[in-house]
Amino acid sequence: GQNIDQPTEMTATEGAIVQINCTYQTSGFNGLFWYQQHAGEAPTFLSYNVLDGLEEKGRFSSFLSRSKGYSYLLLKELQMKDSASYLCAVSARGRRALTFGSGTRLQVQP
Amino acid sequence: ETGVTQTPRHLVMGMTNKKSLKCEQHLGHNAMYWYKQSAKKPLELMFVYSLEERVENNSVPSRFSPECPNSSHLFLHLHTLQPEDSALYLCASSQAIHGTDSYNEQFFGPGTRLTVL
Repeated sequence: GQNIDQPTEMTATEGAIVQINCTYQTSGFNGLFWYQQHAGEAPTFLSYNVLDGLEEKGRFSSFLSRSKGYSYLLLKELQMKDSASYLCAVSARGRRALTFGSGTRLQVQP
Repeated sequence: ETGVTQTPRHLVMGMTNKKSLKCEQHLGHNAMYWYKQSAKKPLELMFVYSLEERVENNSVPSRFSPECPNSSHLFLHLHTLQPEDSALYLCASSQAIHGTDSYNEQFFGPGTRLTVL
């Protein structure tokens, strides 16, 4: 089976840094995705990690530890437009679709 | 714009109605998916089509009936739905590499907000 946990809601200040954690228990783990979803819109791809370590892409970075079943998404220099839900999703061997966590709703305040 | 379109964007229907949701992808992908997103719950996979063949069906009630006439189009036919079926229905596509464990990202459409009265 698969189980994915991430905080329900987070609040941060414009210009600050925020870290959104995700823990997972998955048999046949084959990679972890982060998606961003603004209210009423489609989820959009942010990052993909399959090996341990940090992947940096502009203001966003994603980290993975396969041995700990743990990932985080790091958002730097927060902007108001970063207010959205952030979805952690896991890929597993033998499954063609992703398994999603419930999402973390981030509110960026002035 | 992700290259995946869905119509209609909003749908209100009674429990005795029959309606269909449409998804079209313009990315040349070979796999398409239906997900259900309810408030404060994870995205739930409903169906997966790969090369127009249904390869996964996640114990979805028979009142939901998918159809994939070609690799670019995916439908979800709805009949005799229940109020608890009210949710956001998301379509996605990806380029699956058959015979390997390689996985490519899924591109999502904007969804259809369904309300069942």
